[in-house]
Amino acid sequence: SAVISQKPSRDICQRGTSLTIQCQVDSQVTMMFWYRQQPGQSLTLIATANQGSEATYESGFVIDKFPISRPNLTFSTLTVSNMSPEDSSIYLCSVVSTSGSTDTQYFGPGTRLTVL
Amino acid sequence: AQSVAQPEDQVNVAEGNPLTVKCTYSVSGNPYLFWYVQYPNRGLQFLLKYITGDNLVKGSYGFEAEFNKSQTSFHLKKPSALVSDSALYFCAVRFGNNRLAFGKGNQVVVIP
Repeated sequence: SAVISQKPSRDICQRGTSLTIQCQVDSQVTMMFWYRQQPGQSLTLIATANQGSEATYESGFVIDKFPISRPNLTFSTLTVSNMSPEDSSIYLCSVVSTSGSTDTQYFGPGTRLTVL
Repeated sequence: AQSVAQPEDQVNVAEGNPLTVKCTYSVSGNPYLFWYVQYPNRGLQFLLKYITGDNLVKGSYGFEAEFNKSQTSFHLKKPSALVSDSALYFCAVRFGNNRLAFGKGNQVVVIP
């Protein structure tokens, strides 16, 4: 499986500001995703980060709020813009790795964001 | 639309006893099902997956899961629970292009 790192691991931010989260993979991967885990809740898919093109967002998530970059096959960033306390969550990136005949998704350690 | 249900919020089990975490799913087409575990302050770790073939799937740390198509279930099991198994467990179903829909998660507490 791929080794995935995220920066920062945690941050405390003021409302109205923006934070960019980085996701680095130790090997080239075709598919990368960003998820949000709100306190005490499950994971919700934000978007698919497409290399060389615009991200594909899930219902309820928009590019202006969560701009995503994917400049190459090993790196992606997620920006949480104009933050409010409701954005306090763990943000996780994931990658798909082909294992045997089927792809498996592996997750980074997450970025714990607190918005005051 | 795809969905995953994990009906219990918390599962309490005595150490050494069998552990079962329940999951039912709804998805169009053939189900690709996954179990992940999340330890405190750590990311999600992949446990096992069902794609096709045997209904009993074996995974990491002694866990296994049983796929039941007629009941649309994919329950996670471990014959003898350890205190170190205490964690948050998520069931997920794949949809679209490798996207995952997760259940709400189950907190497992193994009592010494």
